[in-house]
This record gives sequence, structure tokens and C-alpha cells, in this order.
Amino acid sequence: EPEVTQTPSHQVTQMGQEVILRCVPISNHLYFYWYRQILGQKVEFLVSFYNNEISEKSEIFDDQFSVERPDGSNFTLKIRSTKLEDSAMYFCASSEIGQSYNEQFFGPGTRLTVL
Amino acid sequence: DQQVKQNSPSLSVQEGRISILNCDYTNSMFDYFLWYKKYPAEGPTFLISISSIKDKNEDGRFTVFLNKSAKHLSLHIVPSQPGDSAVYFCAAGSGYALNFGKGTSLLVTP
Repeated sequence: EPEVTQTPSHQVTQMGQEVILRCVPISNHLYFYWYRQILGQKVEFLVSFYNNEISEKSEIFDDQFSVERPDGSNFTLKIRSTKLEDSAMYFCASSEIGQSYNEQFFGPGTRLTVL
Repeated sequence: DQQVKQNSPSLSVQEGRISILNCDYTNSMFDYFLWYKKYPAEGPTFLISISSIKDKNEDGRFTVFLNKSAKHLSLHIVPSQPGDSAVYFCAAGSGYALNFGKGTSLLVTP
């Protein structure tokens, strides 16, 4: 069964460093998403991406975040200058269709630890 | 700002019985709702969804009920199995973003 994959599974970085989290969405999906879950809190939407553009983003997704689809398969989340509060599980998701009725399929997550 | 609430952090049910997980929402613009299941160290796994134009959707042992006037949905699992033990998240959306509840941890005991 097709699945979303994410690398690395765990990333440790120093505060102020840049990190890139990578995702390979399901191959026939056209909509891509990033979510995060801070320990003990709910899963929060960060950004959605379609046709090489951001289609929606949350207040969390500020100027330190960016997303890119550098080739036909990868989808990346870059955090330019990490802060302690960026420590969280980051989930990538993809879906066949976009707004409404979109069943989003999630990857296993990348645990980001900022020291 | 919690637009999706799961007020029971945990639920314990005996194998073979019905599990009922509840979810409330505040945003009347939500037009589709989903349930996800999550095991530790894994991402959420899609279970079942329902659009706002329906009040019930079934898939095998899983049924989701939607009461729009009460802004309430529930997930019924019948019969419950030990492998169903996981955290269940309710999610709702009206655009691209899904809004998640905090989850209910279900334990199905033999």
C-alpha cells in the first residue's frame, strides 16, 4: 500500500541552526501538507502546498519556515533559524484532492529536538 | 483556540464491547470530519470520514455519526478488539487545513 515517508526520523540541532525535513508524498497525490505536534499538545496545521505554491498557512508558519518541492518526488520543510520552541514531531501529509473531503495521509513523522 | 474538542482523554473498554469516542466542534463552517488512529512513534492513520451533508458513515467495524445541530460527532467501534488500542484523533476542516482534537486514548482489554 502506498505510504508517505519522512526522513530523518529524528533530528537534533543547536538553536539558531537551519534544518530541512524531508518527505516523499504518495505518488499520485497533488496536495501536500506539514503539521507539527509539540509534546503533550494537539496536532497543528502549518502549511498546505499545491501546484508549487502555498495554498494555505497558519499563524505558526512565519518567515522562518519555508516549503519546497525541489523535484518530482520530495517535499521539504525548512526552518531557517531554529528556536527551542520548534522542538516537536513534524508530520508530512498528502492527499489526492484539496479543499473539503480531503482524506490526508500522514507520514511517520520527524522528531526535531532543538538544544 | 480549541475549535475541536475531545473531552475524554482516555477510555477503557472490554474486548467485544462497543467503544464510543466523542468529539465536539465550535466552527459551523467545518464541512468535513475525519477520525485518525495513532500508535506511539507513528503518524496518524486515516480511519473514516464524513461530510457535513451526511449524518452517518460506516466502514466495517467503524461508524461515524454527525449531529450538526449539536456540533457533535462520535466514532463507534463494534466489536472492539485489543488491536484497536491507540490514540484516536477527531479532525475537522473546511479548506486545506485539518483542525485536530487532543485525542482520546482507547484501551481495549481482553
